[in-house]
Order: sequence, then structure tokens, then C-alpha cells
Amino acid sequence: IPMTQSPATLSVSPGERATLSCRASQSISSDLAWYQQKPGQAPRLLIYGAYTRAAGVPGRFSGSGSGTEFTLTISGLQSEDFAVYYCQQYNKWPPYTFGQGTKLEIK
Amino acid sequence: QVQLVESGGDVVQPGRSLRLSCAASGFSFSAYPIHWVRQAPGKGLEWLGVISKDGGKTYYADSVKGRFTISRDNSKNTLFVQMNSLRAEDTAVYYCARGIWSGTGDYFDYWGQGTLVTVFS
Repeated sequence: IPMTQSPATLSVSPGERATLSCRASQSISSDLAWYQQKPGQAPRLLIYGAYTRAAGVPGRFSGSGSGTEFTLTISGLQSEDFAVYYCQQYNKWPPYTFGQGTKLEIK
Repeated sequence: QVQLVESGGDVVQPGRSLRLSCAASGFSFSAYPIHWVRQAPGKGLEWLGVISKDGGKTYYADSVKGRFTISRDNSKNTLFVQMNSLRAEDTAVYYCARGIWSGTGDYFDYWGQGTLVTVFS
């Protein structure tokens, strides 16, 4: 199932809110995860089941959506949040598929 | 704490083979499926394959099917991927990741730090 993320790059000021989108080519129910990746690091699980935060993930990260449209919202952006974010579907596999990523940069 | 540590990355010529390892600690290794995911330089994440908890089942992406083989040794808490007939487009950082079964599929809650494979003539 191809996954499409938008925008490719998002410029937001610290303290503001960022909204990242992920679209599946067909319904994946709520079988969606979000990952954060910083330069030179492995991806880190943020959200699974479309909206459940992983252990240790701050409350400013929230996920929503179901079916084909999903959103990751980061409220009150902090400096450590500027990174690349990937969505991943796990409803129909193989293969497991990732979106191409959204780079969140400081405005 | 949960740790996954990949090793074995190297510079190899096209057509050659390489075996990567992923050493696990801090959890019951045999209770989880483990995946391989790669990332080409400056690119996104690409899922390569998964092996079941007991090693009895494997699934692969079309891009590596027939060339890569995933195996595990639960007695040594170690995962492997044997990569044959390597191509330039296999150049990437290779990650192992622990799978968490959701009821329909896996998401990945812990990842290794990655090991770099460069295929270069």
C-alpha cells in the first residue's frame, strides 16, 4: 500500500504548531505508526494505532485519523522536535510500507 | 534496557555477498518478530523483510526476494541477513527493528543504530 506524506518540507517557528499529513492509497483502518528520525540516528517510534503515544513520548505529539487520512500534530514545537517524520502502515503486508517522510525545519 | 546492535557493514563490490548481524539484549528475543529496514543515503525508509519469533516464517520485499535471506539464532539472541548478488542500489544503512504485533501487522518499537553497507566498484 503506497503511503504519501505531505508536505515534503514544513517550516514552523518554535512554540508554534506543526501538522503533518499521511495518506494511504486504500483504507488501512487505524494501522498506522509515526516515527521521528534525527540526523545520524535511528528512527524512534512516536505513535502507533494512529493515535496512541509510545512510551516516553511527550504529550505535545498527537495522532489522528483512520481509513486513508492521518495527521501528526506537534503542539508547542521545541528545538528537539525538528527532524524528519515518517508514517508506516501495517494493515496489509508484505510489504510494510513507509511514507517518503516530512522534514520539519525551523522557520 | 532493550538494545539492538547491528554489525557487519562493509564496502563490497557488486555481485559479492555480505552477512549482517543484529545482537539483541534486554528483552526476550525469542518472543518477538524482528525486521530489517534500510535507508539509502539521503532517502527514506524501506522495509526489507521479517522473520517470525521461532524463525519458521520469513517474508521479503520484492526488491530483495531471492537475494537476501533472514535467519535468527534464538539461543544467541542474534538476527542475521545474508545478502547475495549485491547491487549499487543496495547501498544503505541497514537497521534491525523489533516488531510489535498489532493484530493485523507489526509496528517497530525499538531500532538498532544501523550498519552501513556500501556497494562500490
